[in-house]
This record gives sequence, C-alpha cells and structure tokens, in this order.
Amino acid sequence: NAGVTQTPKFRILKIGQSMTLQCTQDMNHNYMYWYRQDPGMGLKLIYYSVGAGITDKGEVPNGYNVSRSTTEDFPLRLELAAPSQTSVYFCASSLGLSSSYNSPLHFGNGTRLTVT
Amino acid sequence: GQQLNQSPQSMFIQEGEDVSMNCTSSSIFNTWLWYKQDPGEGPVLLIALYKAGELTSNGRLTAQFGITRKDSFLNISASIPSDVGIYFCAGPVSGGYQKVTFGTGTKLQVIP
Repeated sequence: NAGVTQTPKFRILKIGQSMTLQCTQDMNHNYMYWYRQDPGMGLKLIYYSVGAGITDKGEVPNGYNVSRSTTEDFPLRLELAAPSQTSVYFCASSLGLSSSYNSPLHFGNGTRLTVT
Repeated sequence: GQQLNQSPQSMFIQEGEDVSMNCTSSSIFNTWLWYKQDPGEGPVLLIALYKAGELTSNGRLTAQFGITRKDSFLNISASIPSDVGIYFCAGPVSGGYQKVTFGTGTKLQVIP
C-alpha cells in the first residue's frame, strides 16, 4: 500500500519556467489537497478537491492551477515560476472530512522546489 | 482568515524531560487536531479533540481542548530521541469542515 506518492522529490526551476508536481493516491480517497510549507509559517492550503472533476481554491492559490480528472491523481501546475514559489509542497488525501480522527489527512513526503 | 499561533517556535530539551507546547487562535474552533512531522516526511495525525475541556492521550502524548475553545495544549512526557520533529496544531476552517488550517509549528529537538 503506497499511500500518497509525490514526484519529483526535488526540482530547481528558473524564473518563468513551468512545471507540474504529480500526486497520486491508491487509497480511493475522495478528498485531496495541496499544501505549501515555508519555514516558520506552517502549512498553507493552495487548492483542494472533494472528488473527481471538482476543485476549489485554498488560502494561497495565486500562481497555481490544479485538475482532478480521476480519483487517484491531483497534479499541481505552476505556469510562470517565481522565487516566491520556492517552498516544500505537500499533497494529502483523506477519506472524508479531514477534521475527523477517523478521516485524517494522509500526506506524501513532499516536493522541494527552488526557483532561481 | 483564521490564524493559529503556536509557542514556543522551537525548543531544545534533554532526553527524559517533559515538554509542553500550546496553540492559540483569535477565533473559536470546534475541533483541534495535533500532527507531527518527522524530518523529511509529511505530517501524521497524533490526536483529535472535539469538546471544550476534553483531555485525550496517545501513549506519552496528552492534548487538551481549552475551555475557551480558542486554545489547545500538547504535552509529551519522558521525551525520547524519536520525538524530534515539528508539531502542528490544526483545525477545520469555519464554513468548510473539509478544509483544515495549520498552525505555525513547534520544532522540537531532543538532546540524548
């Protein structure tokens, strides 16, 4: 059981380049999320999805796009990379409402992105 | 938006010592969650609290839901080296229980 898998683990981008961070889960979870983690700032929600075909903005969506064509996959797209997007990105999934102990967030191991 | 502030921001302790950390908010939460992030990994849920005043344990960890519903506390007894990591409080965003907002984190380092 792989859980939540993120690729790549590390990436360096030049300003203005684009890339897609991949996320897939094999737990048949309906809910999926993208967070970014900056030092001393905790985790900030970028986008989330409550099911295939449905996505919505979180706290910090600017500069990102997502899609959810299948239950398993939830890629995050950066179109024009900026230094402010240097961060560690975490994908997560949950069976139901993520505020329940019976439905906790399951996180991947993160993608460390540097934009120079 | 709802902001969760954690203190201390970081702490060094000797192995065997007890640890206390807290999380405060300017708004009321109906659920408090505590997550731990090991170095190089994603966070994992430790404890969930649902009622004001509730005290819940998970092994050497004990968390409390503050009476005012604007704060929560986490205690670790008899710390060991594997307690190293970042501890986050979290709670559901008002109006959207499918979304969880995280605190700023407390980084714990244990000196053997």
